[in-house]
Order: sequence, then C-alpha cells, then structure tokens
Amino acid sequence: DAGVTQSPTHLIKTRGQQVTLRCSPKSGHDTVSWYQQALGQGPQFIFQYYEEEERQRGNFPDRFSGHQFPNYSSELNVNALLLGDSALYLCATGLAGGRVEQFFGPGTRLTVL
Amino acid sequence: SQQGEEDPQALSIQEGENATMNCSYKTSINNLQWYRQNSGRGLVHLILIRSNEREKHSGRLRVTLDTSKKSSSLLITASRAADTASYFCATDAIMNRDDKIIFGKGTRLHILP
Repeated sequence: DAGVTQSPTHLIKTRGQQVTLRCSPKSGHDTVSWYQQALGQGPQFIFQYYEEEERQRGNFPDRFSGHQFPNYSSELNVNALLLGDSALYLCATGLAGGRVEQFFGPGTRLTVL
Repeated sequence: SQQGEEDPQALSIQEGENATMNCSYKTSINNLQWYRQNSGRGLVHLILIRSNEREKHSGRLRVTLDTSKKSSSLLITASRAADTASYFCATDAIMNRDDKIIFGKGTRLHILP
C-alpha cells in the first residue's frame, strides 16, 4: 500500500513564474490538505480539498489555488511566484469525518530565485 | 498564526537520557497531536491525545495533556540517535466540522552519541 506521494521532489523557479505541485493520497483517503513550511518554521495550513472542492482555507493569497480530481489526487498551483514562496510544500491526506490524524507526503522543495 | 508553541526551541541530550518537550496552545481544542520530522522531510505522526484524556503512551513515548493550562508535554525515554529530529505539536481548530490542524514552530532535538 503506497503512502502519500508528491511530485516533483525539488523545483527551481524564478520570480513571476507559475508552479504546479502534485499529490497522490494514501489508499482509501479522500481529503487532501496542503501546507507550506518555511525553513525553521512549522507547517502553515494553505487549504484542504474534499469532494473536489476547497473546503477550508488558511491565510494565503489567491495566488495559491488548488484542485482535487475524481481519484482524490490534488494539485497546488502558485502564480506570480515571489522569493518568499520558497519553502517545503507538504501534502497531507486523511478521511473526511474520521480521526484528525493525517498522513504526510515527503514534500516538494520549491526554490524561487 | 501559530496555535501551538513548543518549548524549548532546541534541545541536546546524551543518548540514553530522557527528552521532554512542551507545547502550549491558545484556544480550546478537541485533539492534540505530536509529529516528528527528519531533516526537512515529511512529517510522521507519533501520537494523538484527545481533550478528555490526560496521558497516553506509545512505546518510548509518553504524552500528557493539561487542558486547564492549555499545555502538553512529550517525553521520549531512553533516547537514541535515531530520535534526532524536529518535533511539532499540532492542535485542531474544529469549527463547523472543519478539521484543520495548526502546527507550532517545533523543537529541534539532537541526541549526542
């Protein structure tokens, strides 16, 4: 049983560009949450998807958007990249209505130059 | 904004000693979780304690929760080199059935050989 997978592992972009990160959930999971983790900080909640809709959102600008597909996988899109968007982006999946425990993927390290 | 704050920010102990990390939070919660993260990789779920529980054990881990003080502690007994990692507490902010998890900034634990 594969756990949560994310792609790519690393990514380098320049300011103003757009990026798409991908997440495949653990088998049987139907919710996907995205987090941004700056160096030396704890993960910050970006948003959560369930039933292909954004169910809740953290304090992030509209440049951050996402999508969930019928197979429960998800994408995180960031437009007009800023230097401050450089971070580790973590995807976590779980069961809607289940325990709060979430399973995390290994993350995508995004560097914006 | 951060809900949980871990203390200390960094901790170095000798292998075999016990390590204690504390977490304080601001608002009422339903659950508190502890996660481990190795070298900027994905987070690994360690233990979940519910608001009506005061203590929980899992192997060498012992977690306590004091809801009157809005604090929790994580004790790792008989530490090993492999315990070197960052440890985060995460609290839920359950409102309207949302199960958003909010992380603290973490404690960096270093086990000395």
